[in-house]
Order: sequence, then structure tokens, then C-alpha cells
Amino acid sequence: RKEVEQDPGPFNVPEGATVAFNCTYSNSASQSFFWYRQDCRKEPKLLMSVYSSGNEDGRFTAQLNRASQYISLLIRDSKLSDSATYLCVVNSGGGYQKVTFGTGTKLQVIP
Amino acid sequence: DAGVIQSPRHEVTEMGQEVTLRCKPISGHNSLFWYRQTMMRGLELLIYFNNNVPIDDSGMPEDRFSAKMPNASFSTLKIQPSEPRDSAVYFCASTPNRHGYTFGSGTRLTVV
Repeated sequence: RKEVEQDPGPFNVPEGATVAFNCTYSNSASQSFFWYRQDCRKEPKLLMSVYSSGNEDGRFTAQLNRASQYISLLIRDSKLSDSATYLCVVNSGGGYQKVTFGTGTKLQVIP
Repeated sequence: DAGVIQSPRHEVTEMGQEVTLRCKPISGHNSLFWYRQTMMRGLELLIYFNNNVPIDDSGMPEDRFSAKMPNASFSTLKIQPSEPRDSAVYFCASTPNRHGYTFGSGTRLTVV
């Protein structure tokens, strides 16, 4: 089983739709979680951290389910500019604080 | 702040040649990472430095790859000799606290 798994997509959704991505992780001792966004031919950029209690940033909501070992990202009222690949990132902690990136979920918002 | 600076942006080289990629992390960030990204394998961690010291190089694919960080403001990733399968985008990233990486714009390497 991969350390971090994501559905590669693509998710094709119309403008204004709500879309959700999940990401599963294998290490139950993982300590911190993040979502990154990567535009085509660009570098990944931090979108938001994921907190145990769940957190929201505008149209974006991130949640963590430790029991089932997954994190989620919900995007409400999708915009064309949300089209990108969303990478799930897991920090497994320990002395080395190993960070693993998922391979990403591609989102295409359609007019 | 100028962010993480990588050079060159693009590199096309012939198989067997030496390639050197360069990275300047954000000032004050004490951790630096080299990643490789391909369509097939996604983002792969090659090597991680903390306070200029290599901590984990288990992701370096083979002896043809080497990385150095002679000081806090500069790192290199060298491939010698290069092979077509090394073609990828190579990213450098830095962080002060492992709670959010800043990536450079990447070097797109093509080995023909």
C-alpha cells in the first residue's frame, strides 16, 4: 500500500459546483497534513494545513479523519481558476519528520 | 523575499554529459529538499538537508546523482553521466519548520 494515495482524476466539474477530494495515508502515527496546489508547469504551492478539528479558508474546507486515516478537501462554488492539481501531503513525524506527497488529483472546472 | 531560486529553468543535454542544477533557499530556512517530478511517479524526494547537513539521501536513484550544500544559501544537484530516463522537472524546496514548504520554479531537464 502506498504511503499516501489519491484518486488521480481528472474531476471535471461545472463552474459553481461543489467538489471533494479524499486522500488516504497508511501511517497511523502521521502527525500533520497539508494540501498543496500545483498549476500546470508550475511549482506546488501550499494551499492549507489540515487541523484535527477541521478548518476552512473561504471556499475551501479541509478535514481530517484519523480513525479512517484520510483527509479531505472540499471546494465550494468552483471557479475556473480552481483548475489545478491538488496534492495531499503527510508528515509522518518521528525524528526525521518525513514528508510524503501524494501524486495529486487533477481538477478541471468547466464553464 | 525572492523565494527559492533555481537555475537553470530549462536544460537540454546529451546523454552522458554532466548536469548541475542549482538552488538558493529562502534566507533563514534551515531545511532544503531536492525533489524530482515525472508524470509516472509524481513528486519523489531525492535528498534532504538540515542545517547544510545531508539527513536522508535514500531517494537518490543511484551513484550518478550527488548533492551538496556547502553553505546555508546554496545547494547543487549533479547528475554524471546523465541518461534519458533522468528527464524530469527537478524542484528545490526550503522550509524553516517542516510545516510548509516553499518550492522553487523548478528546472526542466531533458536528456536526449
